[in-house]
Amino acid sequence: EAEVAQSPRYKITEKSQAVAFWCDPISGHATLYWYRQILGQGPELLVQFQDESVVDDSQLPKDRFSAERLKGVDSTLKIQPAELGDSAMYLCASSPVRVSSYNEQFFGPGTRLTVL
Amino acid sequence: AQSVTQLDSHVSVSEGTPVLLRCNYSSSYSPSLFWYVQHPNKGLQLLLKYTSAATLVKGINGFEAEFKKSETSFHLTKPSAHMSDAAEYFCVVNTGNQFYFGTGTSLTVIP
Repeated sequence: EAEVAQSPRYKITEKSQAVAFWCDPISGHATLYWYRQILGQGPELLVQFQDESVVDDSQLPKDRFSAERLKGVDSTLKIQPAELGDSAMYLCASSPVRVSSYNEQFFGPGTRLTVL
Repeated sequence: AQSVTQLDSHVSVSEGTPVLLRCNYSSSYSPSLFWYVQHPNKGLQLLLKYTSAATLVKGINGFEAEFKKSETSFHLTKPSAHMSDAAEYFCVVNTGNQFYFGTGTSLTVIP
């Protein structure tokens, strides 16, 4: 069964360092989402791609966060510099584009980031 | 506008007793609705989904949910809780390519 892949699974870094997360969606899924989930809270959408284009990045802290999906397949989320408040689970999800009916998200296992 | 309200942030049940996790939604369109489960340090796993077919939806691990349009609710139930059900549960509304998450309900199962 196809799955969304994410790496690394865990990352520990010091504040002011740069970190990067990678996501490979299910093959053929045009839409890709990055979420941040702070412990004890629900996922918060950071950025949404449709193919290689950004559809929604209104909640992305653009002074330190960047995301790209250059070929419309896999994606990278970067934080530079990392801050203590960035400690969270970063989730990637993908979904196919369906004209009618409904859509469904498939989630990866997440990357747990700890900033010291 | 779309929104999701999970009415209980924490639910505690004894093993073998029924589970009820409540979710109300607000949507301008006919929504699709989902329940996801998340175990500690894991990603989100789909439990079940409503897509405008049958209003009573059966999912994995014995869970089911009933879509009630008149009450704008999509409550999750299970007849008998198991220890392995202890986790965080999220109700999600989908319209088009937008997904709206509830704040989650933490389920504790007491042996």
